[in-house]
Amino acid sequence: EIVMTQSPATLSVSPGERATLSCRASQSVSSNLAWYQQKPGQAPRLLIYGASTRATGIPARFSGSGSGTEFTLTISSLQSEDFAVYYCQQYNNWSWTFGQGTKVEIK
Amino acid sequence: QVQLVQSGAEVKKPGASVKVSCKASGYTFTSYYMHWVRQAPGQGLEWMGIINPSGGSTSYAQKFQGRVTMTRDTSTSTVYMELSSLRSEDTAVYYCARALTAPDYWGQGTLVTVSS
Repeated sequence: EIVMTQSPATLSVSPGERATLSCRASQSVSSNLAWYQQKPGQAPRLLIYGASTRATGIPARFSGSGSGTEFTLTISSLQSEDFAVYYCQQYNNWSWTFGQGTKVEIK
Repeated sequence: QVQLVQSGAEVKKPGASVKVSCKASGYTFTSYYMHWVRQAPGQGLEWMGIINPSGGSTSYAQKFQGRVTMTRDTSTSTVYMELSSLRSEDTAVYYCARALTAPDYWGQGTLVTVSS
């Protein structure tokens, strides 16, 4: 099983600042990497797939990069609605695994 | 528009089984895989398995092998996830999510509570 490790567990950021979230895979997942945002009581929302492609309707302040085992989600200027938990996920073959999540909180 | 509508909350006793449904609409049911993901209270997301609605083939996470069964009914565009031998640790919100690669639409979630 591919293990996904996210860092940091919690990120404290002021509105308008940049946030950088990391995700590492225990083995190469090529570009089969997605990022999700989840708010309390809601289903996850797809932000990025293919490591760097924004999903439909996702603002340009969200960007993804990386391939193989190292990935990054960047939120260029945090808005109030961006404070949430973010998960990375690999979708190699017919098996998915998720990272444990990074909580982005207001500083 | 694409919708995945799941069945309502369930309360089950330890050792029982639960069957959660996910009814798809707004797209061609057999053109997308369907995954099941669960989330225990205050915890992260855990992948359970996948079903191909076209042929019915499945693949399950090793953790759930032998306890989970995913099926589909193409006549009603519905997929089902049945989990048996329930224990308290299975208390969670269960989601269905459609995907070709990464899941773009998710159901609203079904809370399953296991309690004696």
